[in-house]
Amino acid sequence: GAVVSQHPSWVICKSGTSVKIECRSLDFQATTMFWYRQFPKQSLMLMATSNEGSKATYEQGVEKDKFLINHASLTLSTLTVTSAHPEDSSFYICSARGREHYNEQFFGPGTRLTVL
Amino acid sequence: SQQGEEDPQALSIQEGENATMNCSYKTSINNLQWYRQNSGRGLVHLILIRSNEREKHSGRLRVTLDTSKKSSSLLITASRAADTASYFCATPLYGNKLVFGAGTILRVKS
Repeated sequence: GAVVSQHPSWVICKSGTSVKIECRSLDFQATTMFWYRQFPKQSLMLMATSNEGSKATYEQGVEKDKFLINHASLTLSTLTVTSAHPEDSSFYICSARGREHYNEQFFGPGTRLTVL
Repeated sequence: SQQGEEDPQALSIQEGENATMNCSYKTSINNLQWYRQNSGRGLVHLILIRSNEREKHSGRLRVTLDTSKKSSSLLITASRAADTASYFCATPLYGNKLVFGAGTILRVKS
């Protein structure tokens, strides 16, 4: 149980376009979802926390107008990278937890974004 | 900001040997978690140790926690080539946000 999927697994886009990444909890209701960013050979950096039905809380230094997060249902959160630039190229990972998962988060497989 | 720091940054061992990774953190915690990440993949939760526990085992994994030193170690015994991955410690902050350490890249040579 506790499976989280992400789609797409990789995406290549042109500079200036917007890209949407989906994060789904497949077998539990995710009351909270987290979005992380990871550069090569580095650790995960939390970008934002989203609770179902409310606005996302962004970490310091993360532009909320650049990285739009929507958590409209208990099984789906989306991250949209708007007007993407090459420096936005990164590995984006989501995680999710339900009410029953007090201490644990379950991670998606990640999405590799390359902006040309 | 990162809560934890890990050492070594990279570790290369032969199959069958043991691998030890260390993690230090800064603030008080109620638990510490270890994750594995295979190259270009998501994270897999390995083990969680609570602040009132000193040691925990799971298969070939052994985790220790020393809250007085704010440090934890992950020991993988009898390593296998399939253990090659990056290993991260993570500590929860308010709102159950996880803050990850810098990670240790483990390479097990067969």
